[in-house]
Amino acid sequence: QQPVQSPQAVILREGEDAVINCSSSKALYSVHWYRQKHGEAPVFLMILLKGGEQKGHEKISASFNEKKQQSSLYLTASQLSYSGTYFCGTNTGNQFYFGTGTSLTVIP
Amino acid sequence: KAGVTQTPRYLIKTRGQQVTLSCSPISGHRSVSWYQQTPGQGLQFLFEYFSETQRNKGNFPGRFSGRQFSNSRSEMNVSTLELGDSALYLCASSLQASGRTDTQYFGPGTRLTVL
Repeated sequence: QQPVQSPQAVILREGEDAVINCSSSKALYSVHWYRQKHGEAPVFLMILLKGGEQKGHEKISASFNEKKQQSSLYLTASQLSYSGTYFCGTNTGNQFYFGTGTSLTVIP
Repeated sequence: KAGVTQTPRYLIKTRGQQVTLSCSPISGHRSVSWYQQTPGQGLQFLFEYFSETQRNKGNFPGRFSGRQFSNSRSEMNVSTLELGDSALYLCASSLQASGRTDTQYFGPGTRLTVL
């Protein structure tokens, strides 16, 4: 029931773009995205509520395809501060499931 | 507003002991959820409390329990500690209970080490 994320890890140079995918075997009613830096708590990025919805936060945006039960997080013109582990998450109404996580490292 | 606070930040216990962790949510938030984070299993949902009632529970043994007080502060207890209980325990607060649209705000976590 845990959403599966891909890739598991990615290394980028500053300014490059990345896409992180989140796929669930269960119906997704909403998708949450969080970023966790090493040694810190997860920090909320955004929630997507409807099928096909897209949202943006600075240079980070996301899409949500309810029919395919998938969500993607887009990071454009990456900055060093984007490094961390990204988690998608979904609330089924009974409990909250975090995805498997994607480690993203941005190097100069 | 002050964020979510958790105490203690670090804890070392031995097998068989019990431990109590505390979480104070953001003022006005009535829901508190607990998570266990380990390198192998990732972030796993433990349980959620709303208005002093446990609303949802994850797939953890009965050694893991919790409660919530009238001021929304929550405690989590683990009895008969096992080596595998070593983890970062995170609590998160939100306005609503089990809200599919609700944002969770995480505390810094309690790092528990079981020897």
